[in-house]
Amino acid sequence: EVHLVESGGDLVLPGGSLRLSCAASGFTISSYAMSWVRRAPGKGLEWVSAISTGGSTYYADSVKGRFTISRDNSRNTLYLQMSSLSAEDTAIYYCAKSLVGAGGSGLNFDHWGQGSLVTVSS
Amino acid sequence: DIVMTQSPDSLAVSLGERATINCKSSQSVLDSSNNKNSLAWYQQKPGQPPKVLIYWASTRESGVPDRFSGSGSGTDFTLTISSLQAEDVAVYYCQQYYSSLLTFGGGTKVEIK
Repeated sequence: EVHLVESGGDLVLPGGSLRLSCAASGFTISSYAMSWVRRAPGKGLEWVSAISTGGSTYYADSVKGRFTISRDNSRNTLYLQMSSLSAEDTAIYYCAKSLVGAGGSGLNFDHWGQGSLVTVSS
Repeated sequence: DIVMTQSPDSLAVSLGERATINCKSSQSVLDSSNNKNSLAWYQQKPGQPPKVLIYWASTRESGVPDRFSGSGSGTDFTLTISSLQAEDVAVYYCQQYYSSLLTFGGGTKVEIK
């Protein structure tokens, strides 16, 4: 059975950094496209970043240059390194798995984690 | 980026009545390689992660009740709940996966009238 468990969410000061982790089980993350999706308080879902099976990375304009997605195949774990954080980055961050498609970010999301809360505040 | 626009923002429907949610993309999401529309619908209930209902615009995910259906092609899509049940209260999102820069619609909140 597929499981995704996020961790690393915390209260961080504006301008600070944080790394989220997503431990996967029941499948091999390098065989699928993996993404981070966030939902800010009172807002809708926003796709943040994806990594393809080949290791290509993709970012939303709102986080490009500040966030880095990566994975550790030996640990079957996905990461999101976040820097230069601002209040606008406050959200629940979900990791999500996609089937492989022609596009590097994959097809629809078929499994999601429960999310990790990131709060950026002084 | 492909912009996804949903309407309405919220919807109140009586139990047993039909609910219809619209989603419009700023460009076609029809994949010419397989003649399928790269469009999914998700349901998110409070305190839970999203759950996929429909993919390829009209294919129902396994286990999803058949009162949920998706239709449309190109740039205009619809999610229909044929007979609203109490457990369908949620926010619904469309999402395109035609582009590698994935995007969601703004969401539609469905409530009981």
